[in-house]
Parts: sequence; structure tokens; C-alpha cells
Amino acid sequence: GEDVEQSLFLSVREGDSSVINCTYTDSSSTYLYWYKQEPGAGLQLLTYIFSNMDMKQDQRLTVLLNKKDKHLSLRIADTQTGDSAIYFCVSGGYNKLIFGAGTRLAVHP
Amino acid sequence: DGGITQSPKYLFRKEGQNVTLSCEQNLNHDAMYWYRQDPGQGLRLIYYSQIVNDFQKGDIAEGYSVSREKKESFPLTVTSAQKNPTAFYLCASRRGLRDGANVLTFGAGSRLTVL
Repeated sequence: GEDVEQSLFLSVREGDSSVINCTYTDSSSTYLYWYKQEPGAGLQLLTYIFSNMDMKQDQRLTVLLNKKDKHLSLRIADTQTGDSAIYFCVSGGYNKLIFGAGTRLAVHP
Repeated sequence: DGGITQSPKYLFRKEGQNVTLSCEQNLNHDAMYWYRQDPGQGLRLIYYSQIVNDFQKGDIAEGYSVSREKKESFPLTVTSAQKNPTAFYLCASRRGLRDGANVLTFGAGSRLTVL
């Protein structure tokens, strides 16, 4: 079946940039999404990108998409302690969303 | 404010018991979903419903049941047939954006522990 892979853990220093990567297999994905989950809570949409785009910027967030390699990345500039959470890469469409296992981002002083 | 309310937040169950997790939304969304989350794994789809009185099995429906009698409500029953029910359960609803993207709004989750 279709799959999304991402590294499970990332540690960064406060103020540095964080880059979370994922690869996906579903070539039919029209949109790709990043969701954020804080401890003990549900997920919330962070950003998304249309599959025909290479890049999308939204304040501190930059999403890069390499459709040929099926590689998606999320860059968080000036990472803060409040950014500590699990970040999920999501592919697929409509009722068949495929979630990666999530990358736990730890921000330390 | 509109949103999704899940209850209870924590639930303990003895083996052999059925339990029902509540999910209510006031977002006027047609489609609703139940996901299961286990540590170190992505979310897995249990059931979804696109309209009242209709629902479909997801990837891991065995041992679970749902109903959709009202647009606002999509309860999940974890039956005794579910072999490993201890997990974090997330309910979500979907809205379509003007640009074609489909965005899920999640509840805060219900953590079920089987004793």
C-alpha cells in the first residue's frame, strides 16, 4: 500500500532553523499536508501545498516539494520552544489520507 | 467557537467490555472520521462517514462499530472483539477549501486503556 516515511526525532537549538523531511509513495496526491500535534492533543493543520507547486512560504514556515523524488520538507525558521511538538507529513486525497509516523521536534535552549 | 468535542478524555476498560467514545461537531461538516494513534505510528483510519446514515470501513475496522444518526454526532464503539484496544482515538471532520484542498479538523482525542 501507499506509505509516508519520516524520521522520528529531531532536536534543535532555540533560534535555529528546523527542517523536517518526508518521502511519500502516492503519486496521485493532489495536495500534501503538514499537521502539528502538541502533547495529549489532537492534530491541527499547519500548512499544505498543491502538488504542482515547488515551494510555499507562510510566515516562519517554508514547504519544499520535489515531486520527481516524492520528497516533502518543512522548514521552521527561528524555532521556538512553543514549536516543540510532533509533526505529521500527510499525502493522499479525499478519504484516503496517509499519515507518516510523525517527527517529534524537541527545542532546547 | 466551532469545533469537535470528544469525550471522555480518558477511559479505562476491563477486558470483555464494550465502550463507546463520543464525538460531536458543530462545524456543519458532512464528513467525519475516526482514527487510531499508537506510539511511533501514523494515524490509521477506522471508519468514516460522508453523510448521515452512511459510513464505510477504513483500514482497521475490525472490532469497532459506528453510527451516524445525526450530522453532528459520530460515536465509536470499541467492542470486546478488538484484540488490542489500548490506544489514543481521534475524531475528525473534513471541510473542503476553495482551492480544492481538504482539511481535517480534529478533536482533542480520547485515550482508552484496557486493564
